[in-house]
Amino acid sequence: EAQVTQNPRYLITVTGKKLTVTCSQNMNHEYMSWYRQDPGLGLRQIYYSMNVEVTDKGDVPEGYKVSRKEKRNFPLILESPSPNQTSLYFCASSPALGNQEKNTEAFFGQGTRLTVV
Amino acid sequence: AQTVTQSQPEMSVQEAETVTLSCTYDTSENNYYLFWYKQPPSRQMILVIRQEAYKQQNATENRFSVNFQKAAKSFSLKISDSQLGDTAMYFCAFMSMEYGNKLVFGAGTILRVKS
Repeated sequence: EAQVTQNPRYLITVTGKKLTVTCSQNMNHEYMSWYRQDPGLGLRQIYYSMNVEVTDKGDVPEGYKVSRKEKRNFPLILESPSPNQTSLYFCASSPALGNQEKNTEAFFGQGTRLTVV
Repeated sequence: AQTVTQSQPEMSVQEAETVTLSCTYDTSENNYYLFWYKQPPSRQMILVIRQEAYKQQNATENRFSVNFQKAAKSFSLKISDSQLGDTAMYFCAFMSMEYGNKLVFGAGTILRVKS
């Protein structure tokens, strides 16, 4: 079954304690990205990766890091979490944008509810 | 920069009736895609329908259809014969060829279907 798997689904942590949210996809997609969802703001892109070892900032990258050492994995790292990073996080993957319509579909993970106290 | 606006924070509809969710967007691009995603209480993001900007024909998927007005930059979602399972947050999203696979989302509309 084609899927994007995020872990954990829920996480409560304290300010300053480093954490990692994992993301893995089994569809051999080139493109992966992280979004955060906040009330009244929809989903906003944090970081994205076009392929292995290629990452770039999205619209709200401050306080986050990512890595893409393998095609299937794209972890999100919060080196020193702060309360303003309390949010719902989604990982998504899709094939590289091309001429085929199917390449436009993004597959999302189940979401990670993060609370920083 | 591309922006997506959903002007209806919340809507409600009676079961079996029809409801329309509004979405407008701003872009200078000519080639792009538009999407409606459904997010039920489970938080899962589910693709409802997709529209390619180069296609004049409005997309339909069973009870879901869109009214795509390219000149007006409008992309509304019509849900016919509403069902209790349609209760969810609905997001309108934009993807352009220039920015690759990046999705730009609206703020969302909470839809409640009442029995």
